[in-house]
Amino acid sequence: DQQVKQNSPSLSVQEGRISILNCDYTNSMFDYFLWYKKYPAEGPTFLISISSIKDKNEDGRFTVFLNKSAKHLSLHIVPSQPGDSAVYFCAATYGGSQGNLIFGKGTKLSVKP
Amino acid sequence: IAGITQAPTSQILAAGRRMTLRCTQDMRHNAMYWYRQDLGLGLRLIHYSNTAGTTGKGEVPDGYSVSRANTDDFPLTLASAVPSQTSVYFCASSPQEGSTDTQYFGPGTRLTVL
Repeated sequence: DQQVKQNSPSLSVQEGRISILNCDYTNSMFDYFLWYKKYPAEGPTFLISISSIKDKNEDGRFTVFLNKSAKHLSLHIVPSQPGDSAVYFCAATYGGSQGNLIFGKGTKLSVKP
Repeated sequence: IAGITQAPTSQILAAGRRMTLRCTQDMRHNAMYWYRQDLGLGLRLIHYSNTAGTTGKGEVPDGYSVSRANTDDFPLTLASAVPSQTSVYFCASSPQEGSTDTQYFGPGTRLTVL
C-alpha cells in the first residue's frame, strides 16, 4: 500500500515553459513534505519542502503547493531549464516518525531545448 | 568537506556471500539512514540510527543489519546476499532525527547479486 504516490513516471517539457510534478499521499499523519532531485549515478539532493501549516512555499524558480484536503502536493518549476532534467522524488514524514521519509516512485522530467 | 562517502561504488557479489557497505559522514550529524532504490519502487528505508549506539528498523529491514559504533560511520551488512538484494543503496544523514531535518544523501553503491 503506497502512502506516497507519483502517478506520472515521466514528463517532457519545452525549455522556458512550466513543469508541474504531482504527488498524492494517503496518510493523514504526514505533516512535512519534501521534494528531492536526482541525477543519474548521484544521490538525491534536497530541493524544497513544505510544512502542513502552509499551502505554498517558494524558492527561486521552484514552488511547492500543498492541498491538505485533497492530500495532494505539486512542484512547479518556472521557467524550466535543460539542467532541470532529472528524476524528482516526493517524500513525506511526520513528527514522531524519527525523521523517516516515505518516498514516491519518482517522476523523470525531461526539459527539451 | 566531503559530506557523505560510500564504498564501494559498485560491487558484483555471488549469492550467499557476506558483504558490508560502508558509509561515512563528516558533518557530525546525529541521524543516519540506509535506503535502497529499485526501478519503479522509489527509495525504501532499510535501517536508521538516531544517534551513535542506537539503531532501528525501516520499511525493508530483512536480510540486512547495521551498527552505529560512532557518529561518523554507519555500515550496512548483508549476512548472506540473495539476488533480490540487487539494488542501488544510498546512505543519508541529517543533523537530528526530527521530521523537518533535511537528509543529505551519499552517491550510492550499486550492488549486483548473482
